[in-house]
Amino acid sequence: DGGITQSPKYLFRKEGQNVTLSCEQNLNHDAMYWYRQDPGQGLRLIYYSQIVNDFQKGDIAEGYSVSREKKESFPLTVTSAQKNPTAFYLCASSIVFDGKQFFGPGTRLTVL
Amino acid sequence: KNQVEQSPQSLIILEGKNCTLQCNYTVSPFSNLRWYKQDTGRGPVSLTIMTFSENTKSNGRYTATLDADTKQSSLHITASQLSDSASYICVVSAQQAGTALIFGKGTTLSVSS
Repeated sequence: DGGITQSPKYLFRKEGQNVTLSCEQNLNHDAMYWYRQDPGQGLRLIYYSQIVNDFQKGDIAEGYSVSREKKESFPLTVTSAQKNPTAFYLCASSIVFDGKQFFGPGTRLTVL
Repeated sequence: KNQVEQSPQSLIILEGKNCTLQCNYTVSPFSNLRWYKQDTGRGPVSLTIMTFSENTKSNGRYTATLDADTKQSSLHITASQLSDSASYICVVSAQQAGTALIFGKGTTLSVSS
């Protein structure tokens, strides 16, 4: 897990509610990423940030939003517009963009 | 279309045995290939990263090979241990504007005693 933390580990949400997943790193990495992992599927990129105050959409950004106000933090909000939010969410960071990525322990989100 | 295919989907071996996992890719232009180990319910951990010019790279009992001509990579695990039970993910990075990491679906390895 190496200096990158995610909270909470498990999260339950009712349909129609927004929820924010936390990701913090103390590795002084410039780049941060959010992925979604579904059973039997490869990781899919939601959003990434190359540097503070900047972020870009990944392959499946619809229904998600992010912010990067601090270098250490890259929170992900799952909005009610996300039709199938139940999944395992992974945050990662790297020294520079597209460098070796270090992953957090993940947050398992379940929509009830 | 950029794709990463891994085989087998799952594998069961006895403790102490060796095994080889395969990764074929159609990513272009190629930048590097990474192997990750992911324990159940945890985030992936990097095992190796190889660029175009590297044919092999080792990390303890893990040895990755890369054939850029045939666009194939393998991960060889020697003298397997129970703690090797995990999902092994092959990831290929493409050289292009913006990030283009293409993830394979992984091979689930179970090591039994």
